[in-house]
Amino acid sequence: GEDVEQSLFLSVREGDSSVINCTYTDSSSTYLYWYKQEPGAGLQLLTYIFSNMDMKQDQRLTVLLNKKDKHLSLRIADTQTGDSAIYFCAESKNSGAGSYQLTFGKGTKLSVIP
Amino acid sequence: EAGVAQSPRYKIIEKRQSVAFWCNPISGHATLYWYQQILGQGPKLLIQFQNNGVVDDSQLPKDRFSAERLKGVDSTLKIQPAKLEDSAVYLCASSLRAVATNEKLFFGSGTQLSVL
Repeated sequence: GEDVEQSLFLSVREGDSSVINCTYTDSSSTYLYWYKQEPGAGLQLLTYIFSNMDMKQDQRLTVLLNKKDKHLSLRIADTQTGDSAIYFCAESKNSGAGSYQLTFGKGTKLSVIP
Repeated sequence: EAGVAQSPRYKIIEKRQSVAFWCNPISGHATLYWYQQILGQGPKLLIQFQNNGVVDDSQLPKDRFSAERLKGVDSTLKIQPAKLEDSAVYLCASSLRAVATNEKLFFGSGTQLSVL
């Protein structure tokens, strides 16, 4: 199966909270990331969490990590139309070639309804 | 600061033709990555450079893909000959160091390749 799995679509109303979920497979991942991709653009790092943390909050963003279940979530409070984008979960894995690489999920397309 | 620059923005070619993409990373970034993003999927790493050396090219289809970063700055990714399944967005990214820590990757806008 896929290394990193995400649901493909999420639709929320403006002002509500959005929760995007992700499961990963490599328990040795040191960092887990959330990237945002707007149409026609590259990926932009939103936030990350170190594997020994349970939660990280950064303004409207809250990341929760359940290491036992290998589950990561991103909560966006007070979702705005500008938050409409594709959100990618990624884990940092040792590639075995003396380097680390990011493995991305397929992305969750967030649509915000005005 | 200037971001990661990529060109061209779009490219349309016929199968069996050759194509090349160019990337200029953020100044001072030692690590450069090429990713392939097929429609509806997440980016997949093709090759990672540390300065002018290849760190990881395990997922690069070496029979048709090649990449170089001769002076440790800008990089070129080439496909020769192209296949229909190579249609994708090719993203270049750079980071100050290798992504062993919470190193932030900066992505370019990508080159969208369509192979007909």
